[in-house]
Amino acid sequence: AQSVAQPEDQVNVAEGNPLTVKCTYSVSGNPYLFWYVQYPNRGLQFLLKYITGDNLVKGSYGFEAEFNKSQTSFHLKKPSALVSDSALYFCAVRARSGGSYIPTFGRGTSLIVHP
Amino acid sequence: GAVVSQHPSWVICKSGTSVKIECRSLDFQATTMFWYRQFPKQSLMLMATSNEGSKATYEQGVEKDKFLINHASLTLSTLTVTSAHPEDSSFYICSAGPSGGAVTGELFFGEGSRLTVL
Repeated sequence: AQSVAQPEDQVNVAEGNPLTVKCTYSVSGNPYLFWYVQYPNRGLQFLLKYITGDNLVKGSYGFEAEFNKSQTSFHLKKPSALVSDSALYFCAVRARSGGSYIPTFGRGTSLIVHP
Repeated sequence: GAVVSQHPSWVICKSGTSVKIECRSLDFQATTMFWYRQFPKQSLMLMATSNEGSKATYEQGVEKDKFLINHASLTLSTLTVTSAHPEDSSFYICSAGPSGGAVTGELFFGEGSRLTVL
């Protein structure tokens, strides 16, 4: 079985400050990790993914995430937060073996960026 | 990125009626689509995996006869909520990936359908 944990229901940050949204995962095989963002009453949008290669992955809207195999983490980061980044963020994992190709989502973290 | 269109965005219906939600992949073929249900301020709950040309695979606890899924073509999957009741009120979201469901592929989501059953 595979699982994803997003330990924070909500993250508050001031505009211009760096932000981190945490994600840890559990899967037997090699993980394929994804971040999605959801704005109110909308579907999810793909931000970035880690498949293989460089541990630091860059994605849309200035976001990046760092894959850490030893800590089984894939935290989402941005050097300077914008008010418009306020949204719900989901981490997800898929696996070819030892898990499921069906993505498993974390419970979501609400990011609130204060002006 | 690839586009998934979901319709309708909002629907209000009376208790006991049925509602159909459509999910279309506009610029790619999708042999597999996923249907999710989302409660307020909660994560996505996978309801079923829709497979083109075959029966959908439902998650445990999801009533097959209540939530009918049809994936008749490579670009269209439908979810029909039959005999809807107020507890079926929710936000339903579909998703698909242009990589034929490849495990390394990201998913693209419809805009969601807000169902309110009176």
